[in-house]
Amino acid sequence: KNEVEQSPQNLTAQEGEFITINCSYSVGISALHWLQQHPGGGIVSLFMLSSGKKKHGRLIATINIQEKHSSLHITASHPRDSAVYICAVRNAGGTSYGKLTFGQGTILTVHP
Amino acid sequence: NAGVTQTPKFQVLKTGQSMTLQCAQDMNHNSMYWYRQDPGMGLRLIYYSASEGTTDKGEVPNGYNVSRLNKREFSLRLESAAPSQTSVYFCASRRNPGGNSPLHFGNGTRLTVT
Repeated sequence: KNEVEQSPQNLTAQEGEFITINCSYSVGISALHWLQQHPGGGIVSLFMLSSGKKKHGRLIATINIQEKHSSLHITASHPRDSAVYICAVRNAGGTSYGKLTFGQGTILTVHP
Repeated sequence: NAGVTQTPKFQVLKTGQSMTLQCAQDMNHNSMYWYRQDPGMGLRLIYYSASEGTTDKGEVPNGYNVSRLNKREFSLRLESAAPSQTSVYFCASRRNPGGNSPLHFGNGTRLTVT
């Protein structure tokens, strides 16, 4: 079993729909990252959170440490949101470089 | 600011050839990383440099070497390329290694080894 599991693997939506992408992890963590990878390949950091909820524009990220689960929500989705969304966790513990374990990604396609 | 710059964007090698992937960041970050991304798998760490003058192996270091040339630059070398090294390579940096600062990624290098 992977340490970080994302669901769904593929998601298709119509413009305007509310979207939820889920991330579950099995290890103790000190932080969770949500990343966005566009079709051109570049990866951008969206959120880094260790508790509660963060909001940036139409994007909302939540985390429940007790349940080892995080969600990324997109409100009023738009075709430009089409991308791969990647969850990564920073393992708790004493690694000096802040080891990140990445999920496989969720491919989101938003149709006009 | 350019952020993290990787070169080249694409490369095709024959088995046994060597090459160096270049990475530079202009954000005065201490830590730099090389990842590879393969279909169906999450990003995997090849090597990292927690600070200038130090380098360490990540999860999948075999077949690679790195050099932290200075604070800005971190290169990845394939001495004798193999088809298993066909992948997309990403360089990343962050302000500090252990802190919870965000990662900044380059645009990737798509490498094919035939």
